[in-house]
Amino acid sequence: QKEVEQNSGPLSVPEGAIASLNCTYSDRGSQSFFWYRQYSGKSPELIMSIYSNGDKEDGRFTAQLNKASQYVSLLIRDSQPSDSATYLCAVTWSLTGNQFYFGTGTSLTVIP
Amino acid sequence: DGGITQSPKYLFRKEGQNVTLSCEQNLNHDAMYWYRQDPGQGLRLIYYSQIVNDFQKGDIAEGYSVSREKKESFPLTVTSAQKNPTAFYLCASSRQGPPRSNQPQHFGDGTRLSIL
Repeated sequence: QKEVEQNSGPLSVPEGAIASLNCTYSDRGSQSFFWYRQYSGKSPELIMSIYSNGDKEDGRFTAQLNKASQYVSLLIRDSQPSDSATYLCAVTWSLTGNQFYFGTGTSLTVIP
Repeated sequence: DGGITQSPKYLFRKEGQNVTLSCEQNLNHDAMYWYRQDPGQGLRLIYYSQIVNDFQKGDIAEGYSVSREKKESFPLTVTSAQKNPTAFYLCASSRQGPPRSNQPQHFGDGTRLSIL
């Protein structure tokens, strides 16, 4: 059984702080990793994709991947109230083609 | 603008009725997917299709059916056999990428299905 686990939260951070979201996954055959943001009542939107170990930065967002420890994280710098949403981690495994496995999401609230 | 269109936005099903959710994409993506999301839950895969005229069951296919007669379209039918259909249904699509580098999935706006 392939699993993707996230702390459901809620995670609360003050405006301007760094929000750190974590995701762990089972199996070492994992291949690609994605972070999605989902506002309440809306569909998920892609924030970041990361394929190799290390950090990948895009604006205020940084994805960090450590395949040996089987975790991927998302850092949000200078958090804004508009970042308040649920963040979904998704993983693909090499033997299952492009089938995505999603975590249950972490709810983030940025307090003004 | 390219994108994924799901319709209707809200749908109500009567007891014993089959209903069909529409999903159309003009992104020229090969792969399409249907997910179900229940309150406070993650996304669970119902069906997916990587090419026209071919599709595979996901983790919760029972009570659902799909077709993929055109690249752009991947309709989902919720049959009367699905006893708990109330959920948020999401359609997604993606390109086929190079080996060992999966392409991200992009989502439509979703359809909310409720039982009358």
